[in-house]
Amino acid sequence: DIVLTQSPGTLSLSPGERATLSCRASQSVSSNKLAWYQQKPGQAPSLLIYGASIRATGIPDRFSGSGSGTDFTLTISRLEPEDFAVYYCHQYHSSRTFGQGTKVEIK
Amino acid sequence: QVQLVQTGAEVKEPGASVKVSCKASGYTFSDYYIHWVRQAPGQGLEWMGWVLPNSGGTEFAQRFQGVVTMTRDTSITTAYMELSRLTSDDTAVYYCARGSRVTTSGATAFDIWGQGTLVTVSS
Repeated sequence: DIVLTQSPGTLSLSPGERATLSCRASQSVSSNKLAWYQQKPGQAPSLLIYGASIRATGIPDRFSGSGSGTDFTLTISRLEPEDFAVYYCHQYHSSRTFGQGTKVEIK
Repeated sequence: QVQLVQTGAEVKEPGASVKVSCKASGYTFSDYYIHWVRQAPGQGLEWMGWVLPNSGGTEFAQRFQGVVTMTRDTSITTAYMELSRLTSDDTAVYYCARGSRVTTSGATAFDIWGQGTLVTVSS
C-alpha cells in the first residue's frame, strides 16, 4: 500500500496568515490521483481538492493544491476563521489510503 | 440534493456483528461506487473497501478481508456494511462515501459523504 505522510502534525497560525500543508507518498502517485479533505469536529470530511490541484465545487480560491509524483502541497492563502480544522490527503492511484492528518489551529 | 444518510449509533458486545446502512438520494444510485471509511476516536481516516451497486461487486482493504461484507439493495438505493467478530478496536465512526461513476475511467476522490455512524464495542 502507498503510505502518505503529512507534515506538520499541527500548524498554529493566526487568521489572515498563509498555511502550507505537505503530503509525501511512499511511491509515486501517478495521474495526480491525490485529494485533500477538510474535517471539522463532529462532522464528516468534505472534499476540497482532487486531481492534486482541482478545486471541488464551491471551494473558495484561497485553497490551492499542487505537486506531483510523491510530493503534494495544500496551500490556504489567507486563513479565515472557518478554515481551522483537520486536513487529510488521500491517494486513489493504488487502492486507497489517507494521510494521518494535519490540524490547523488558531495561534 | 445529492446526499447519503446513514443509520444511527450502535452499541455492540465483543464478538458480535454490526450492520450499518447508507441511503443514497439525489442521483442514480447504481451509477456510482460506494466506499466505506472508518475513524477511530481521535484518529485519522481508514479506507475499508467499496461496493458497486449495479453489480454488487466488492473490493476490501486487506486488513478487513474475512470480517467485512458490503452489499446493496438497489430497490431502496441503500448500501450496507457489515463488520463481524467485533473487538474494542472496532469502536469508530463509520462513513459511507460516493466514489467514481462507473463510466469514468479510473478512480476518483470521494465527493459526497454520509454523516457517519458511531459504533461502540463494549461489554
